[in-house]
Amino acid sequence: GEDVEQSLFLSVREGDSSVINCTYTDSSSTYLYWYKQEPGAGLQLLTYIFSNMDMKQDQRLTVLLNKKDKHLSLRIADTQTGDSAIYFCAETLPGNTGKLIFGQGTTLQVKP
Amino acid sequence: KAGVTQTPRYLIKTRGQQVTLSCSPISGHRSVSWYQQTPGQGLQFLFEYFSETQRNKGNFPGRFSGRQFSNSRSEMNVSTLELGDSALYLCASSTDAGVSYEQYFGPGTRLTVT
Repeated sequence: GEDVEQSLFLSVREGDSSVINCTYTDSSSTYLYWYKQEPGAGLQLLTYIFSNMDMKQDQRLTVLLNKKDKHLSLRIADTQTGDSAIYFCAETLPGNTGKLIFGQGTTLQVKP
Repeated sequence: KAGVTQTPRYLIKTRGQQVTLSCSPISGHRSVSWYQQTPGQGLQFLFEYFSETQRNKGNFPGRFSGRQFSNSRSEMNVSTLELGDSALYLCASSTDAGVSYEQYFGPGTRLTVT
């Protein structure tokens, strides 16, 4: 079935690394995404990874995909207060055009 | 390039009324998807339009409908509003040039039903 799970809350100190985790159930996922939502705003696409990749790095962001365990993580290096937001992971499934399946979101709190 | 725009940004309606929300995609993007975001249910897919045709649909009642115009702009309509329709409605556009379905979201329309 279509199910994406995330832990609800993460608190880190400014300058530390943050790791946000996500698990999904459908092994046929094609692409997996990370979105960021700040209060009162829409969703900002941060990065995405194709399902046949293990890792993708983009500046402070590192995405790791363990397809065997159906586990996705987003590491933010040198976390800043501006990174405080809700982070959503999402997947697409083959043939399910235009549809992102989202997790419930992880609230990241960055303490100065 | 301008981003995805949605109008209006805020809306207050009464139960039983109907509402129309508008979405203008990024220039060149032909696919528009709509999502409903609520604290209880999270982000749920409503439908997707491509070349003026509904290509995919989520599990929402028939009171929720949409359409897409030849310039790729899209509207969604909710008839006979219920209190539970209060939500942030987000639209997203993508090029549909490949299969990555990178979707870029607008700021949303906050609908309150009283």
